[in-house]
Amino acid sequence: DGGITQSPKYLFRKEGQNVTLSCEQNLNHDAMYWYRQDPGQGLRLIYYSQIVNDFQKGDIAEGYSVSREKKESFPLTVTSAQKNPTAFYLCASSWGTGANQPQHFGDGTRLSIL
Amino acid sequence: AQKVTQAQTEISVVEKEDVTLDCVYETRDTTYYLFWYKQPPSGELVFLIRRNSFDEQNEISGRYSWNFQKSTSSFNFTITASQVVDSAVYFCALPNQAGTALIFGKGTTLSVSS
Repeated sequence: DGGITQSPKYLFRKEGQNVTLSCEQNLNHDAMYWYRQDPGQGLRLIYYSQIVNDFQKGDIAEGYSVSREKKESFPLTVTSAQKNPTAFYLCASSWGTGANQPQHFGDGTRLSIL
Repeated sequence: AQKVTQAQTEISVVEKEDVTLDCVYETRDTTYYLFWYKQPPSGELVFLIRRNSFDEQNEISGRYSWNFQKSTSSFNFTITASQVVDSAVYFCALPNQAGTALIFGKGTTLSVSS
């Protein structure tokens, strides 16, 4: 079945540690996105990529980094510079390079601080 | 600037009641798309509908219906004869000004009790 796979489902970070969240899609979608969700909040855009080897900052990119070396993969690294990383992280993908297409989401990764 | 407002934070209903979730948006675009997503307790967002601003006809899909009114910048979602499985957080969204990603409202948590 086609879809988006995020791993791990739960992740714990120690102070000063970088952690990487995985996102893989087999939908052959061009665009991929990372969102952060906090309790009672909507989704906020961290980074997005419209094409391989290219990505753009979203509204809350500070303390995060991404790469897009393959069409299928868009990993997100939460760096030690992100002082409040506890949140639910959702990866999404869509056809084309604009936001007018429906986005398909993974199951999310819940990140907590140890 | 683009903005989506979902004023209802939480709604509780009893099974078989009808319920309407409100969405009000702001956009500078003359043509645009609007979206609704459902987030069940499992966490992933599920795409429900995409509506083009050209088309103001109401849309019905089973127990779900959507009322799009350009004059009031609203795109409301009604569930008829609600069921426990409808319990979820519902998000309304529209593309950002650059058309590169979605802007989400803060969501409405719907609880349906039996």
